[in-house]
Amino acid sequence: DAKTTQPPSMDCAEGRAANLPCNHSTISGNEYVYWYRQIHSQGPQYIIHGLKNNETNEMASLIITEDRKSSTLILPHATLRDTAVYYCIVRAVGIKAAGNKLTFGGGTRVLVKP
Amino acid sequence: SAVISQKPSRDICQRGTSLTIQCQVDSQVTMMFWYRQQPGQSLTLIATANQGSEATYESGFVIDKFPISRPNLTFSTLTVSNMSPEDSSIYLCSADRSNYGYTFGSGTRLTVV
Repeated sequence: DAKTTQPPSMDCAEGRAANLPCNHSTISGNEYVYWYRQIHSQGPQYIIHGLKNNETNEMASLIITEDRKSSTLILPHATLRDTAVYYCIVRAVGIKAAGNKLTFGGGTRVLVKP
Repeated sequence: SAVISQKPSRDICQRGTSLTIQCQVDSQVTMMFWYRQQPGQSLTLIATANQGSEATYESGFVIDKFPISRPNLTFSTLTVSNMSPEDSSIYLCSADRSNYGYTFGSGTRLTVV
């Protein structure tokens, strides 16, 4: 699986949009971009994923650049409960040899401040 | 998404002993995974638990230290054998929900004294 690069930490203001960047310049054509977050003392939680089109769900939006070398996770109205470590992961789907495993990098530690 | 029950949630163990962690999924899943998260670190994959065959271990992890069972499509166990203080970590299981990502258990916080 391709590697990702994320800033180690960032602060966000409560109620404002939080934009979390991720670089994945070596992504392959069959690799999806996944985002997870881990709130303190809990297991990681799936947020969203996408291949090349922008995606939106009830939690967040995912914007993927046209060349797919980077993406941005957008939390539209950050709350204090969004304080967590956010992981951007690229993963090949449907290829048995890769084992469909998720490989976690360092993530971005997001602190939402009042 | 699937619900994963993991137990125990925490334990304090004596060095040299073994601990078995159980992971129960509320629906059948093809693949289950075991991760370790050392204090202040990210998650590291230990192994993939395959139903009907031996687990597939990642580099740096061996079956003698971390034996895994996967008797059916909803259950798996991870044993941490002959524990030392360096094994103090959070151990997490997860299940592959195909295109909808993985679901994780809440983890087992292990302290070895």
